[in-house]
Amino acid sequence: GQQLNQSPQSMFIQEGEDVSMNCTSSSIFNTWLWYKQDPGEGPVLLIALYKAGELTSNGRLTAQFGITRKDSFLNISASIPSDVGIYFCAGFLYQAGTALIFGKGTTLSVSS
Amino acid sequence: GAVVSQHPSRVICKSGTSVKIECRSLDFQATTMFWYRQFPKQSLMLMATSNEGSKATYEQGVEKDKFLINHASLTLSTLTVTSAHPEDSSFYICSASGEGKTQYFGPGTRLLVL
Repeated sequence: GQQLNQSPQSMFIQEGEDVSMNCTSSSIFNTWLWYKQDPGEGPVLLIALYKAGELTSNGRLTAQFGITRKDSFLNISASIPSDVGIYFCAGFLYQAGTALIFGKGTTLSVSS
Repeated sequence: GAVVSQHPSRVICKSGTSVKIECRSLDFQATTMFWYRQFPKQSLMLMATSNEGSKATYEQGVEKDKFLINHASLTLSTLTVTSAHPEDSSFYICSASGEGKTQYFGPGTRLLVL
């Protein structure tokens, strides 16, 4: 089925560093969502993007909805140990139903 | 706002028994609820989509008689794993959406079938 290409698959960084991850698709999306999942927990919504070109921040997190509607990125600035987890991008295909399409996730490890 | 709960958080059962998992939207009315399954170190796999008062729509490869879904109200959906077997052991996560399409996820239920 339709997939989002999320990269990188994993990241190992030092506390204080900035992080960037992105998702791309060959299809147009009308909504992009970024979730974070901690071990043994359900995903928690971080940022929702609804318009092409939209740039939204949530604390140290910033995400953008690509102009082409086929990509999105998430940046985390000044990472801290509690940023550790799996980050998923997800989106709704243009003119499709309510099913979310998920990326495969980016596993972030932060060393102090 | 947009809080979704799941119960139980963990369940261990014997092979052949049935297990019911509840998903509740606590502060909004969920017109649509979704059930996902997640294997270790993998992304979420959609099992089924349910709208309040109607039959669930199952994804290809998901047995509807094995995974019974009921969405009787705008705040509650249940997933029953019937005659569970060890291969059904997994992390089951529900999500709910209201007027918008954005989905809010529950904390998940860890099922272990012995």
